[in-house]
Amino acid sequence: NAGVTQTPKFQVLKTGQSMTLQCAQDMNHEYMSWYRQDPGMGLRLIHYSVGAGITDQGEVPNGYNVSRSTTEDFPLRLLSAAPSQTSVYFCASSYLQGKNIQYFGAGTRLSVL
Amino acid sequence: GENVGLHLPTLSVQEGDNSIINCAYSNSASDYFIWYKQESGKGPQFIIDIRSNMDKRQGQRVTVLLNKTVKHLSLQIAATQPGDSAVYFCAENLISGGGADGLTFGKGTHLIIQP
Repeated sequence: NAGVTQTPKFQVLKTGQSMTLQCAQDMNHEYMSWYRQDPGMGLRLIHYSVGAGITDQGEVPNGYNVSRSTTEDFPLRLLSAAPSQTSVYFCASSYLQGKNIQYFGAGTRLSVL
Repeated sequence: GENVGLHLPTLSVQEGDNSIINCAYSNSASDYFIWYKQESGKGPQFIIDIRSNMDKRQGQRVTVLLNKTVKHLSLQIAATQPGDSAVYFCAENLISGGGADGLTFGKGTHLIIQP
């Protein structure tokens, strides 16, 4: 079982560049989310989606866009990267009903120079 | 906003001893709690969860205790092994409200197992 797959694993960007972090899950989970993890800050929610065509903002959404065209995929877009977006990004998914144990991908380590 | 926090950032224990990792939460409305383990370079991995209508839940070598009176959560790991070395996060959610707001994570405790 693949679970939650994130690509790429590592990325270096220059300030102002754009890129898309990919996330795919094969568990037919309705709920998908993106977190960023910074030292001493724990994981903070960026955006989430409760189903295809539905997205919403989390705690730290500024500078990021998301879309959910299919149940399986939930890409995170940085339109104009900033050094403050240097972080490790995790995608997670879960069922929406009942206990929503979120399953995480392995992460994308992003550096913005 | 309200937060979930941990008392100790680093905990060092001898191999074979029991470990207790603590977590304080401030959102009294939270009704669901999860402990995650994160090894270096990997994503968080689910360990055990507990609903607010319970005060104790046991898994394999792990026990979670919930004290709603003082809003405190703990993770007990029995007979710690080198593979238990990791950062442990507690997280809370309000699943009765839909749960779609995602999990609120604490900052994490780094558990170090000494041989």
